[in-house]
Amino acid sequence: AQTVTQSQPEMSVQEAETVTLSCTYDTSESNYYLFWYKQPPSRQMILVIRQEAYKQQNATENRFSVNFQKAAKSFSLKISDSQLGDTAMYFCAFMKHGRSSGDKLTFGTGTRLAVRP
Amino acid sequence: KAGVTQTPRYLIKTRGQQVTLSCSPISGHRSVSWYQQTPGQGLQFLFEYFSETQRNKGNFPGRFSGRQFSNSRSEMNVSTLELGDSALYLCASSLGVGGGMNTEAFFGQGTRLTVV
Repeated sequence: AQTVTQSQPEMSVQEAETVTLSCTYDTSESNYYLFWYKQPPSRQMILVIRQEAYKQQNATENRFSVNFQKAAKSFSLKISDSQLGDTAMYFCAFMKHGRSSGDKLTFGTGTRLAVRP
Repeated sequence: KAGVTQTPRYLIKTRGQQVTLSCSPISGHRSVSWYQQTPGQGLQFLFEYFSETQRNKGNFPGRFSGRQFSNSRSEMNVSTLELGDSALYLCASSLGVGGGMNTEAFFGQGTRLTVV
């Protein structure tokens, strides 16, 4: 079974600054996907960024980037130029690769991020 | 392209009753997964349906069941409701074909169930 750990329950950052959210995971799989989801107060889960384990290059999406360390089983999210709209709960999630595995997501416990004006 | 639609958005039920929640996935998506979100347990996987068949199942009692129709719409049923079933129930849809650039789950806005 897979486990995902987010050790930072809450974080705070000043607007326009950079913040990094941590995520570690445990799996015996060699091929999988990792995701960061954002859940604002509206409760709508929104995909922020995804990473395929077989790709060594770190994924980036505008102000969001990841530091994927496969050997260390670490997958941190960096938010640059933080904006007030980034205030939300952030979840790290794992999905096994392969049709027979299905599209089941295993989530971490989340990090509540507050962006201060 | 319409997103994932969950109905109803809010529901209040009494202990012992049963409830049915509905999820309409994005057009073309064949996989629908259900998650329970509570402050204490976080996000927990309930089950996944793909082409009308349950493909994955989480560790929930048999009171929790689901099904998927030929148009990929899914329903989740909880019988004999308990106070602890109060939660936000999220549905996610995906292509379900296992891997590749299109591996992504899109979530609905959830159904907030309160059991009193």
